[in-house]
Amino acid sequence: AQSVTQLGSHVSVSEGALVLLRCNYSSSVPPYLFWYVQYPNQGLQLLLKYTTGATLVKGINGFEAEFKKSETSFHLTKPSAHMSDAAEYFCAVKTSYDKVIFGPGTSLSVIP
Amino acid sequence: DTGVSQDPRHKITKRGQNVTFRCDPISEHNRLYWYRQTLGQGPEFLTYFQNEAQLEKSRLLSDRFSAERPKGSFSTLEIQRTEQGDSAMYLCASSLEFRGPYNEQFFGPGTRLTVL
Repeated sequence: AQSVTQLGSHVSVSEGALVLLRCNYSSSVPPYLFWYVQYPNQGLQLLLKYTTGATLVKGINGFEAEFKKSETSFHLTKPSAHMSDAAEYFCAVKTSYDKVIFGPGTSLSVIP
Repeated sequence: DTGVSQDPRHKITKRGQNVTFRCDPISEHNRLYWYRQTLGQGPEFLTYFQNEAQLEKSRLLSDRFSAERPKGSFSTLEIQRTEQGDSAMYLCASSLEFRGPYNEQFFGPGTRLTVL
C-alpha cells in the first residue's frame, strides 16, 4: 500500500532563507507525486507534480521539488522564503486507481 | 471556470442530528471526490464518483455516511446521527478523466463541521 511521511510537522524559516520541506513515500508501483498548499480555512491548491520524465519539477510561487527514486523522496524547496509562503504543505502520492494519499502535512512559518 | 464550490462553508450541529453537504464540481469534470480532514492531519479519502457511479468507498465511510451524485453533476454527502468524532473539514475535489496516467484534482474550499 502507498503511504507518505513528512519529516517535521512544523518548520520555521526566516524571510529570505531557504525553504526545505521533506517528503518520503512508499509505493509498490511507479508513483505520481504531488505537493499541495493549504491556507487557513481554504481548500488545497496544487503547487507542483511529478508524473514521468524530468525528475526536477518546478511549480508555482517559486517552489520546486526533485524526485529521487533511490531515496524514495520528493522534497520541496524554495530558495528564498516570503511571508506569504506561511501555510500548511501536503505531500501526496497517487495510486493507479486515482485515489490520492496525503501525508500528515508540514506547517511552515516565516519569521520576519 | 468558477472552480469547485461547497455549501455550506461551516456547519454546527448537535450530536445525533443529520447533516448534508453539497459539492458543485467544475462543470466539465466527470470525476468527483470526497475527503475528510481532521485538525493537524492530511485529507483522507472517503469516496469518489465517475459521472453518477460511485466507484470506490473507503472503510472510513461508515454506514452513517452516504454520498450521491444523481445526475453526474453536483454531489451530496449526508451524515446521519452525527457523533463528535465526525467533526472535521469535508473537502470535495473534481477532475476530468482522460486516457492517461494522471488527472489533476481541483479542490473546493471545504465544509467545516462541528458536532457539539
